[in-house]
Amino acid sequence: QKEVEQNSGPLSVPEGAIASLNCTYSDRVSQSFFWYRQYSGKSPELIMSIYSNGDKEDGRFTAQLNKASQYVSLLIRDSQPSDSATYLCAVTKAAGNKLTFGGGTRVLVKP
Amino acid sequence: GAVVSQHPSWVICKSGTSVKIECRSLDFQATTMFWYRQFPKQSLMLMATSNEGSKATYEQGVEKDKFLINHASLTLSTLTVTSAHPEDSSFYICSARGSEASSYNEQFFGPGTRLTVL
Repeated sequence: QKEVEQNSGPLSVPEGAIASLNCTYSDRVSQSFFWYRQYSGKSPELIMSIYSNGDKEDGRFTAQLNKASQYVSLLIRDSQPSDSATYLCAVTKAAGNKLTFGGGTRVLVKP
Repeated sequence: GAVVSQHPSWVICKSGTSVKIECRSLDFQATTMFWYRQFPKQSLMLMATSNEGSKATYEQGVEKDKFLINHASLTLSTLTVTSAHPEDSSFYICSARGSEASSYNEQFFGPGTRLTVL
């Protein structure tokens, strides 16, 4: 079992719809959770961080964390073609600050 | 805020030569910097973690004598690929993280350096 798992996609959504991405992690001591966006040929860009259970909203993005179920999700509202990218879920443990990445979910927003 | 730069953005070199890549945090002090490599259509692979003023910690399977890392200041880390070979061709990305007490207690990535070894 991988430490951080994501559906590789592609997740195809029409423009204006909500894109819903899921991520599960295996280590219960994980404490910090991040979503990065990576365009093809570019480096990752941090879009959301979440540390406690519940929802966190930032613009069109909402991250949701459920530590009991060991999953974290990302919602993208009003999806735009410019949101087409690979979204990486990343986790750090309490003892260190190394990021453990999932394989990424490729999102395609179709006009 | 939280800008990380890398130089060069791309480099082509001959087999057997050494290549140095610089990573700088421009608007915050990076107590920890990380070096990753990424092959096409694959996820990022952490190579090493470096803390300012101390030796880097390498991930299993990464040759420390081949990938030399120096983190001499709170804003600069360098990765030197020694005696590069075609199999070292990859996208090298650094990230920087500030102290836990700072506003930059997350990893921010540089734009990456694309290395091609002929």
